[in-house]
Amino acid sequence: GENVEQHPSTLSVQEGDSAVIKCTYSDSASNYFPWYKQELGKGPQLIIDIRSNVGEKKDQRIAVTLNKTAKHFSLHITETQPEDSAVYFCAASFLSGGNQFYFGTGTSLTVIP
Amino acid sequence: DSGVTQTPKHLITATGQRVTLRCSPRSGDLSVYWYQQSLDQGLQFLIQYYNGEERAKGNILERFSAQQFPDLHSELNLSSLELGDSALYFCASSVGAHWYQETQYFGPGTRLLVL
Repeated sequence: GENVEQHPSTLSVQEGDSAVIKCTYSDSASNYFPWYKQELGKGPQLIIDIRSNVGEKKDQRIAVTLNKTAKHFSLHITETQPEDSAVYFCAASFLSGGNQFYFGTGTSLTVIP
Repeated sequence: DSGVTQTPKHLITATGQRVTLRCSPRSGDLSVYWYQQSLDQGLQFLIQYYNGEERAKGNILERFSAQQFPDLHSELNLSSLELGDSALYFCASSVGAHWYQETQYFGPGTRLLVL
C-alpha cells in the first residue's frame, strides 16, 4: 500500500516568517493530496488540497506544491501568525480498489510571537 | 463547529469490553468516515459508509465494525478491547461518496481509554 512520510515532525518559526512542511509518497497512482490542520482538542480541518494534474495551488497565505516525478508535495505558509500554531497532516489518496487514503505522521508547528 | 457531532466525548473502559461510538453527520451529508488517531499509529482511516452502504475500508480491525442507519447516523463498535485501542476516534462526513471530490468535515472526536 501507500506510504506517506512527513517532515519535519516539529517546526518552530517566528511570527511573520514562512513555514514549509514536506511529504513524500510511494505510490505513483496517488492523485489527490490534501492537507489538514488540527488544533488542540479538535478534529482535523481541511485547509488546502491539490490534484495530480496541477503543480501548485494557492489560497491566501497557504500554498501547496506537487512534484509528481519526485513524488513529493509541500505545504507553504507565509507570513505566519500565532493562530497558525497547530498540527498539520498531509495525506495521499490511493484510489485503486476504493477510496483508500493514507496520512503522514503530522508536523507540530509553533509560531512564536 | 463543523456540524458533525460525536458521543460520548470521553469513554473509559476495561480490556475485553465492548463499546459503541456514535456519530451524527452534518445535515445533508450522506457519507460518514471513521478514523483512529493514536500516538504510535498516527491518523488512520478505518471505514466509510455512504447512504447506508459500506463504501471503503481502511485499516479496520476485525474486532471493529460499523454501520450507518437510515437516518444517516453511524455507530462504530469496538469489541474485545485491548490497551492498544486507546485512541481518539474521529468521525467525518461529506456530501457525496468520493472523499477526494469534496471536503470532509470532522467531528470533535471520542477519546477512548482502555484500562
